[in-house]
Amino acid sequence: AQRVTQPEKLLSVFKGAPVELKCNYSYSGSPELFWYVQYSRQRLQLLLRHISRESIKGFTADLNKGETSFHLKKPFAQEEDSAMYYCALSSSGGSYIPTFGRGTSLIVHP
Amino acid sequence: GAVVSQHPSWVICKSGTSVKIECRSLDFQATTMFWYRQFPKQSLMLMATSNEGSKATYEQGVEKDKFLINHASLTLSTLTVTSAHPEDSSFYICSARGTEWERANYGYTFGSGTRLTVV
Repeated sequence: AQRVTQPEKLLSVFKGAPVELKCNYSYSGSPELFWYVQYSRQRLQLLLRHISRESIKGFTADLNKGETSFHLKKPFAQEEDSAMYYCALSSSGGSYIPTFGRGTSLIVHP
Repeated sequence: GAVVSQHPSWVICKSGTSVKIECRSLDFQATTMFWYRQFPKQSLMLMATSNEGSKATYEQGVEKDKFLINHASLTLSTLTVTSAHPEDSSFYICSARGTEWERANYGYTFGSGTRLTVV
């Protein structure tokens, strides 16, 4: 069974502070991992995917297979980063059904 | 990029009536549609997965007779909440997956969600 754990329901930081949203996963195969973001009153949208190794809006995430983690990081948080962040795992092969973590609400104070 | 249009955005209905929610993929073919339910400040709970032309696969605990899913074409999937009750009030979200390449590169595309209130 696949599982995604986001231990923090809420993360509150001040503008300019570093941010790390934690995500751990459990999956027996080779996972595909994503970070989705949901801004207030907007739909979920893809932020990052692990295969691309890209930086979006200053956010990066590295897949650590040894620690089964895919933490989302940003060195200097901005107020506009305030949103709900969901880590998601997609099983490889077959139906690719995604599993989402419970989400972390990031609040960036001015 | 890929867009999924979901409507209505919100609906209020009387207890005992049925409500249909539509999701359309506008610029890609959605081979698979996922339907989620989201409670306030909680994560998305997968209700069912539907592949075009096939019967939907429901997650454990989801009543297939209450939540009817139809995926008759590659661009349209519908969720019908039958004989709705107040406990069915929730936020329902659809998500579509295109080709394997699209999935790997763009992830899953979400609709904007439907807020259902049953009174």
